[in-house]
Amino acid sequence: EIVLTQSPATLSLSPGERATLSCRASQSLAGYLAWYQQKPGQAPRLLIFDASKRATGIPARFSGSGSGTDFTLTISSLEPEDFAIYYCQQRSTWPPYIFGQGTRLEIK
Amino acid sequence: QVQLQESGPGLVKPSETLSLTCFVSGASISSYYWGWIRQSPGKGLEWIGQIYYSGSTNFSPSLKSRVTMSIDTSKKQFSLRLSSVTDADTAVYYCAGWRWLQTGDLLDYWGQGTLVTVSS
Repeated sequence: EIVLTQSPATLSLSPGERATLSCRASQSLAGYLAWYQQKPGQAPRLLIFDASKRATGIPARFSGSGSGTDFTLTISSLEPEDFAIYYCQQRSTWPPYIFGQGTRLEIK
Repeated sequence: QVQLQESGPGLVKPSETLSLTCFVSGASISSYYWGWIRQSPGKGLEWIGQIYYSGSTNFSPSLKSRVTMSIDTSKKQFSLRLSSVTDADTAVYYCAGWRWLQTGDLLDYWGQGTLVTVSS
């Protein structure tokens, strides 16, 4: 079974700064990785799919990159509403579509 | 717009079966994959499984022996059953649906989640 490892566990930054979140897979996902954002008390929201495609309505400050086993979510300039927990999810051909353990992005 | 709503008991006794239903509105149930994801208190997301309108299913290997999913296209709903529950099954359970468009875009919708507590 594929394992996704996210780093760092917690990232402390200030509004306006650039955030870089990492997700590493235990085997190649080709380009099939998604990123979700979750705020307290809310369901996760899809940000990025197929490693680099923004979901409908997602601001351009969110971007994804990577392929194979190493993927990155970048938030170019943090807005106050971006502080949340971010999960990667493998979406390669076959389920289970497991999630990484999450990165908490907190205000410094 | 597409809306999903989970329904079911909020309290289940140990060793019994957890049953949840997700009601779908604003979308064709035949056009999406439908799934269940859970989140234990203070923990991360755990993918439980998915079902297609045809009835084909895929489950997490760790839960496969205890999970059943079904779908009723006429009622626009799909269901989860998890047998022999323990404290470890206490979680917020989300239903979700996703669909790839011909444009290459991915539509992804989630319910608000429902807390199920396993306790005697």
